[in-house]
Amino acid sequence: EDKVVQSPLSLVVHEGDTVTLNCSYEVTNFRSLLWYKQEKKAPTFLFMLTSSGIEKKSGRLSSILDKKELFSILNITATQTGDSAVYLCAVPNTNAGKSTFGDGTTLTVKP
Amino acid sequence: NAGVMQNPRHLVRRRGQEARLRCSPMKGHSHVYWYRQLPEEGLKFMVYLQKENIIDESGMPKERFSAEFPKEGPSILRIQQVVRGDSAAYFCASSPPTNRGTGELFFGEGSRLTVL
Repeated sequence: EDKVVQSPLSLVVHEGDTVTLNCSYEVTNFRSLLWYKQEKKAPTFLFMLTSSGIEKKSGRLSSILDKKELFSILNITATQTGDSAVYLCAVPNTNAGKSTFGDGTTLTVKP
Repeated sequence: NAGVMQNPRHLVRRRGQEARLRCSPMKGHSHVYWYRQLPEEGLKFMVYLQKENIIDESGMPKERFSAEFPKEGPSILRIQQVVRGDSAAYFCASSPPTNRGTGELFFGEGSRLTVL
């Protein structure tokens, strides 16, 4: 059975701090890993990673994948209160089109 | 281009009643997925449908739950004889056929079911 584990489960930081969120996985037929941000409603897509060692970047957020060690990290620099959300990591099952999600990391950024 | 539309956004039912949740995928998307999210937990896959076909229902409880995606109209997740443990947020997601390999999903805002 596919498994995705995120850590930490929750994190409280102050504005301006840098955070690193972790996602490890055990899946068959790996094709991609995705990060989503969920703010009390619909998860919204952040990044899709398919290749090891290639950093994806969007503003203050960046993510990288290590397919040898089976993990990904999501970095957020110079955090802002608007970054407060649940960050979800997901790995699709290519045979069925479904995704296995981790339980998420709840990030709280205090002013 | 409207996103994934779910309704109702909030639904309250008493134990034993039926709950029907609707989902209209994004325009051009032919794949629909239903996920359930319990408080403080991640999203758990329930069912994957294409028009008039259930592709994978491995995450759906065998009893009381059913899903459909008819040729015309929205996808419907139906829960019969609801129990308190069914209280959760139910998210619908869609994807176009070309995304199937990479798995990017476009989510609706969810339907929050409360069973009294």
